[in-house]
Amino acid sequence: GAVVSQHPSRVICKSGTSVKIECRSLDFQATTMFWYRQFPKKSLMLMATSNEGSKATYEQGVEKDKFLINHASLTLSTLTVTSAHPEDSSFYICSAIYRDEQYFGPGTRLTVT
Amino acid sequence: GESVGLHLPTLSVQEGDNSIINCAYSNSASDYFIWYKQESGKGPQFIIDIRSNMDKRQGQRVTVLLNKTVKHLSLQIAATQPGDSAVYFCAENGFGNEKLTFGTGTRL
Repeated sequence: GAVVSQHPSRVICKSGTSVKIECRSLDFQATTMFWYRQFPKKSLMLMATSNEGSKATYEQGVEKDKFLINHASLTLSTLTVTSAHPEDSSFYICSAIYRDEQYFGPGTRLTVT
Repeated sequence: GESVGLHLPTLSVQEGDNSIINCAYSNSASDYFIWYKQESGKGPQFIIDIRSNMDKRQGQRVTVLLNKTVKHLSLQIAATQPGDSAVYFCAENGFGNEKLTFGTGTRL
């Protein structure tokens, strides 16, 4: 149990376009999900906390208008990178809370050309 | 701000030897610590956790030690195997706080 999936696993988009990444809890309901960003050979940096039915809480320095988060159901949170630029290229990972523990998705590799 | 960090970025061991990965944390209010394993191109995988009211916890081939006096956490892997090769992160959070703070990571 407690499986978290992400889609897509890899995406390449052109500069200026928007891309949506989905995070799903497959076998449990999650009122809280988290979005992280990870640069090569670096640690995970928390971007925001996604709360079902309410606005996301963003960490300091994360642009809420650039990284749109929607947690419309208890099993799905989406992260939309708007007007993507090459510096947005990164590995994006989500996690979901189940029984007080965080379970991580497999990550999405975003490359902006 | 509060931080969690690791002493060694890279650790090389012979197959069959024991591995010890260290982590220092600075938030004395942290009461829950977790070790994660991350293989290339994948998300973190839970290994073992420990709460602040304990100083040692054992799992299958892994042991976590917590020294609250010096704010130090370690992960010991017995009989290290090639499949253990990955980056290991320590993470912590405080009571009532679901947000995790990750350490720098050590590549084994």
